[in-house]
This record gives sequence, structure tokens and C-alpha cells, in this order.
Amino acid sequence: NAGVTQTPKFQVLKTGQSMTLQCAQDMNHEYMSWYRQDPGMGLRLIHYSVGAGITDQGEVPNGYNVSRSTTEDFPLRLLSAAPSQTSVYFCASTLRARGNTIYFGEGSWLTVV
Amino acid sequence: GENVEQHPSTLSVQEGDSAVIKCTYSDSASNYFPWYKQELGKRPQLIIDIRSNVGEKKDQRIAVTLNKTAKHFSLHITETQPEDSAVYFCAASTGGGADGLTFGKGTHLIIQP
Repeated sequence: NAGVTQTPKFQVLKTGQSMTLQCAQDMNHEYMSWYRQDPGMGLRLIHYSVGAGITDQGEVPNGYNVSRSTTEDFPLRLLSAAPSQTSVYFCASTLRARGNTIYFGEGSWLTVV
Repeated sequence: GENVEQHPSTLSVQEGDSAVIKCTYSDSASNYFPWYKQELGKRPQLIIDIRSNVGEKKDQRIAVTLNKTAKHFSLHITETQPEDSAVYFCAASTGGGADGLTFGKGTHLIIQP
């Protein structure tokens, strides 16, 4: 099992460019989510999904889109990158059942110039 | 929505002493309270968690206590060691953790030799 895999690990974007952060898990977890982490802050929830075809907004969804066409994949799209989106992004997954650990990916470092 | 406050933001203790980090939450429906350790440049790692039907949980040198009435929970680390130096985050969730976590802003724990 690879766990939660994020790509790319590092990315530099110009303002206005678009890109997709990829997240894949091979643990057959129903729940997946995206967080961003800024200096001096805890992680903040961007979007989450409780299963294929179902997504919902978290605390800071503006500027980001998600989709969940398969159980394994949960990509995060930045349609028009802004410097305020410079951050570290973490994808996470867990089983629906209570008592299961939330697994985080290794993170994606994004800089928007 | 949920709001999680974490104190202190920095904690320096002598090696071998105990460390206590405290968090409060606002949503009385929250039922899952994990603690994460994050080393520089790494992903958050779950170190212990507690659910609302339990008042205390211990795992070797680490313990967590929960006071539902006061809406606060605490992390206790005894016999601190240099490898305990890291940033610690508390979090809370109303959905058992599966539909997203609300994080505190973190505590930088420094173990002085």
C-alpha cells in the first residue's frame, strides 16, 4: 500500500495560471479531504468528499474546485492562481467507520508569484 | 462553525519534565479530538485521539484528557525527550473526523537539553 500519494511535491505558478494538485489513495477509503497550511496556522479544510460523486465545501473553499469521479482520486484545481494561494496543501483520507485514523499525504508546496 | 483555540503557541521545557498543551472548542456537537505532531517539512502524524464518550486516554508517555462540560481538552507529555520537539496541533470534529477537522493554530514544543 502506498497510502495517500500527492503530486507534485513542489510547484511554482504565475498569477492567473491554473493547475491541478493530484491526490490518490489505495486504501479504499470513502472519505477524502484537502487542507491548506499557512505559516503560524493550523491546517484549514478546503473541500471534502464522503464518496465518489459527492463533494462539499470546507472552511476556505474560494478559488478551488474539486471532483470525485472515483473512490481513489480526489484532485484539487486552482482555476486562476493568486499569491494568496501560496501555501502547503495536504490531502487526507479515512474510512467512514468511527475509530479510523485520518491519513495525510506528504504535502504539496505551492508558490504563486 | 467550529472554532478551536490552542495555548500556548510556544512551550519550552527541560528534558525530562512534563509538557501540557490546552485546547478549547466551541461546538458542543464535536465528538472527536485528535492530536497531531508535525516536524519541519513533514506531514502531520496522529499521536493520540479521544472521542466524546471517554474522559481520558493514555499511550505510554502521552495522555489526553477531555472535559465536555467546559469544552476543553489537553495533551500531556511526561518525561519529555529531545525527539518530542515539534509543532503539536489539536483538532476537533463533529463527524468523528471523517468529514473534516478544525485545527488549532499549533504549539511549538521545545525540549531544552
